[in-house]
Amino acid sequence: EADIYQTPRYLVIGTGKKITLECSQTMGHDKMYWYQQDPGMELHLIHYSYGVNSTEKGDLSSESTVSRIRTEHFPLTLESARPSHTSQYLCASSETGNRAYEQYFGPGTRLTVT
Amino acid sequence: GENVEQHPSTLSVQEGDSAVIKCTYSDSASNYFPWYKQELGKGPQLIIDIRSNVGEKKDQRIAVTLNKTAKHFSLHITETQPEDSAVYFCAASVHDYKLSFGAGTTVTVRA
Repeated sequence: EADIYQTPRYLVIGTGKKITLECSQTMGHDKMYWYQQDPGMELHLIHYSYGVNSTEKGDLSSESTVSRIRTEHFPLTLESARPSHTSQYLCASSETGNRAYEQYFGPGTRLTVT
Repeated sequence: GENVEQHPSTLSVQEGDSAVIKCTYSDSASNYFPWYKQELGKGPQLIIDIRSNVGEKKDQRIAVTLNKTAKHFSLHITETQPEDSAVYFCAASVHDYKLSFGAGTTVTVRA
């Protein structure tokens, strides 16, 4: 089972601020993902990475950006937060090989933009 | 892309009874079907999964069945307990490791 961490767990911030949501995993997983989960609970993929220096946009358009400079770290940044960015953000990771499909999730960051 | 539909959206069962959640998918190339359980304040946790070359898989009180012809798969929880109360998500994946999730089912187990 993966150990995957997200900070902060909760964040309330004003409109226009720049924020970075942190995600780290200690299992050496190559693949990492960011999901947005709205109050309706459905998860939507917004970014993914299959390795260092590799990032792709997901199925749901997002104004956020990501980077993958180290295997274990996959931060998400919003340059200028807006109320429409209020949501829960979940980070996940998976390994290579036969278990590459098995994604393990962090606890999430609940973001509120006022 | 893949479209996954999940029913019902809410499910209330008496403790000890069984719970069944059903999902359909649109992409016949999908080959991996996991189920996740999400408790309040936590991230989703993988509880069971099935691959397209298997029709059924069981792990203690939970089981998953897959019908590739009809493109649907189901989660079965037997002898439900209060700790089974949570939101359950189905998902499907084609070969690129990305998951498409259903909308979730809120399961409440009444004591």
